[in-house]
Amino acid sequence: KAGVTQTPRYLIKTRGQQVTLSCSPISGHRSVSWYQQTPGQGLQFLFEYFSETQRNKGNFPGRFSGRQFSNSRSEMNVSTLELGDSALYLCASSLDSSVLPDTQYFGPGTRLTVL
Amino acid sequence: GENVEQHPSTLSVQEGDSAVIKCTYSDSASNYFPWYKQELGKRPQLIIDIRSNVGEKKDQRIAVTLNKTAKHFSLHITETQPEDSAVYFCAASLSLDNYGQNFVFGPGTRLSVLP
Repeated sequence: KAGVTQTPRYLIKTRGQQVTLSCSPISGHRSVSWYQQTPGQGLQFLFEYFSETQRNKGNFPGRFSGRQFSNSRSEMNVSTLELGDSALYLCASSLDSSVLPDTQYFGPGTRLTVL
Repeated sequence: GENVEQHPSTLSVQEGDSAVIKCTYSDSASNYFPWYKQELGKRPQLIIDIRSNVGEKKDQRIAVTLNKTAKHFSLHITETQPEDSAVYFCAASLSLDNYGQNFVFGPGTRLSVLP
């Protein structure tokens, strides 16, 4: 099976702009989670989507949002970009079978730089 | 909420020696503990995981032990090789009934294997 894919791999934006990142999970996986990775804060959970619904949410401001489509692909959007939003954004997918716990598999990430 | 601590933050070993990374978690209901390896510029890769009903798991040179009473788990790498050099993340996952899982990651350990 193909792994988790993310596009684009690199983005450069300026403050105040908005950005949309895309994630395609492993075929058959129904859960998609998003993480922000920075050198100082490590891996921080943003949100998780399952069946087109946000199921869990981390402690990030409302500028961070996401959605999931019927084919389980997911997008995340960051509006009014700030310098501190520069980070590697990772998505991870899991099968989310009826038997928990479940394993997450990561995509390669999107490196966002805000100037 | 769950909190995961990880030690040490950096670790240097000579090739062929063993490396041990330790993590502690706060929520006794956490029931799944994966370990990820992230090489520079690459995605986190799952290397081994353990569920709360198991005390130890081994896969070739890698092993993980879990002490539920003390709420800590450890990664053991034997006969280290230069290609083991990477950042290692531990995580604790809590199943949320019908609401999926909540993954909390440790801050990471940078392992350097010196030839």
